[in-house]
Amino acid sequence: NAGVMQNPRHLVRRRGQEARLRCSPMKGHSHVYWYRQLPEEGLKFMVYLQKENIIDESGMPKERFSAEFPKEGPSILRIQQVVRGDSAAYFCASSLGQGVLEQYFGPGTRLTVT
Amino acid sequence: QQQVKQSPQSLIVQKGGISIINCAYENTAFDYFPWYQQFPGKGPALLIAIRPDVSEKKEGRFTISFNKSAKQFSLHIMDSQPGDSATYFCAASKRYSGGGADGLTFGKGTHLIIQP
Repeated sequence: NAGVMQNPRHLVRRRGQEARLRCSPMKGHSHVYWYRQLPEEGLKFMVYLQKENIIDESGMPKERFSAEFPKEGPSILRIQQVVRGDSAAYFCASSLGQGVLEQYFGPGTRLTVT
Repeated sequence: QQQVKQSPQSLIVQKGGISIINCAYENTAFDYFPWYQQFPGKGPALLIAIRPDVSEKKEGRFTISFNKSAKQFSLHIMDSQPGDSATYFCAASKRYSGGGADGLTFGKGTHLIIQP
């Protein structure tokens, strides 16, 4: 059973470029969550998606950040016009839903903005 | 506003000892409390979780104790081993009406070192 997959594992972008982070949930999971972890800090919730729907984006910065989870394919977290403060580890987690609350995390994408 | 407070920030325990990490929450709507273990450069791994209808849950060397009235829960690692050295995060969430759960609210983490 493959776990949650994220790619790329490492991403370097210059200020002003766009970053696209991908997440494939565990097989059978239809709920996806994105979190951000700054160095030496805990994880902060960003957005919760189900297939073709954004359920909760209360943790997402209002500008430059967007997320989607299409009917086919991985979930995408998109950061436009990156700034140095966006440098962090971004983790995706997936859950089965249907009353099952456990969330399983991927290995993360480490974004560095130069 | 930090909704889940975790302590201590760092902890050193001798091999074979008991490691204890504590968390306190504010939001009484939370009804799911997991603990995650994270090694450097890796994603968090779900360790054990509890719901508020029980006061204790044990899985192997790991035990969660839960005190609903005090809004506190703790992780106990019995017979701690050097391989347990990692960062541990407590978290909390609540059920979402659509069958899933809200995003997790995490504590700031505890860096645990088990000395051989």
